[in-house]
Amino acid sequence: GAVVSQHPSWVICKSGTSVKIECRSLDFQATTMFWYRQFPKQSLMLMATSNEGSKATYEQGVEKDKFLINHASLTLSTLTVTSAHPEDSSFYICSALPIPGLAGGAETQYFGPGTRLLVL
Amino acid sequence: DAKTTQPPSMDCAEGRAANLPCNHSTISGNEYVYWYRQIHSQGPQYIIHGLKNNETNEMASLIITEDRKSSTLILPHATLRDTAVYYCIVSTLSGNTGKLIFGQGTTLQVKP
Repeated sequence: GAVVSQHPSWVICKSGTSVKIECRSLDFQATTMFWYRQFPKQSLMLMATSNEGSKATYEQGVEKDKFLINHASLTLSTLTVTSAHPEDSSFYICSALPIPGLAGGAETQYFGPGTRLLVL
Repeated sequence: DAKTTQPPSMDCAEGRAANLPCNHSTISGNEYVYWYRQIHSQGPQYIIHGLKNNETNEMASLIITEDRKSSTLILPHATLRDTAVYYCIVSTLSGNTGKLIFGQGTTLQVKP
């Protein structure tokens, strides 16, 4: 149980285009999901907290107009990288926090496998 | 900033126990200690968490000192597949919110 998927697993796009990444909790519901970014040989950096039915909360220094987050249901959050540039190339990872009482309770985040983005 | 301190790297012989230390001297009373690991090019994998009591599951054991200022993750019989970066994180994760702030972690290399 407690499986999180991401789609696509990797994507290559041209500079200036937008890319959408999906994060799904497959066997549990999550009111809260998180988006991270990881550059090569670095640790994960939290970008934003996504709450179902409300606006996302962005970490300091993360441009909310560039990284659009939508959390329309209890099992799906999407991250759209708008007008992507080569410096946006990175490994994007989501995590989901189960609703209390489901799939291990509210105390554990479960991570997706990540999406590798390459902007040419 | 991460609130934990971990050694940057450790080696362990296959079949032996791997003991990964973590210092969290500024931990608050309502913060849990979480351990995750990340195998190369994959998303982090949850290992274990605890508040103040020692915990054990099918993957590992977590030993938390009585003053809660440090902890040790124990992999009882390390295999080559346990080679990964191990992250120790303190967080409340209360009220369906809370964040996991990742530090640099410990790169564990299990050697044959």
